[in-house]
Amino acid sequence: DAGVTQSPTHLIKTRGQQVTLRCSPKSGHDTVSWYQQALGQGPQFIFQYYEEEERQRGNFPDRFSGHQFPNYSSELNVNALLLGDSALYLCASSLGGTGMEKLFFGSGTQLSVL
Amino acid sequence: AQKITQTQPGMFVQEKEAVTLDCTYDTSDQSYGLFWYKQPSSGEMIFLIYQGSYDEQNATEGRYSLNFQKARKSANLVISASQLGDSAMYFCASSPRELSFGAGTTVTVRA
Repeated sequence: DAGVTQSPTHLIKTRGQQVTLRCSPKSGHDTVSWYQQALGQGPQFIFQYYEEEERQRGNFPDRFSGHQFPNYSSELNVNALLLGDSALYLCASSLGGTGMEKLFFGSGTQLSVL
Repeated sequence: AQKITQTQPGMFVQEKEAVTLDCTYDTSDQSYGLFWYKQPSSGEMIFLIYQGSYDEQNATEGRYSLNFQKARKSANLVISASQLGDSAMYFCASSPRELSFGAGTTVTVRA
């Protein structure tokens, strides 16, 4: 049973560019959440997708957008990259998305913005 | 969002000894969950243990136990019989809705 998979594992971009990160949830899970983890800090919630809709959003600008597909996989898009967007981006999946269930995390995408 | 405080940036523990990681939370919700995750250098967040706000018994999962003191809004993690593989970053997190994480505690297990 495959867990949460993310691609790519590493990415290098320059300021002003756009990036798309991808996530496939654990089999049977219908909810995908995205987190940004800066070096030495805890993960910060970006947004959560359920039934192809953004259900919750953290304190991130509109440059951060996402999408969930009918097969529950998800994409995170970041436009007009800033140096401060350099971080580990973690995708997590769960079933139901009530907030009280265990999240399963992928290994993340390490984004470096130069 | 809930606020999670982990006051220990780093800890050293001798192999086979127990270690306690502190976590306090601040929430106005009546129903919430408390989680601990482990993050090794590979980056993946690994679920360790969960405590619901209405659970009367402290949660245990193998060598992990959660010392839940609701009135003090405290949810400390105890790792018993530490192993070298326990060296990692440990995060406390709370719900409901999205998970809010603390800043983490780095644990280094010495042989």
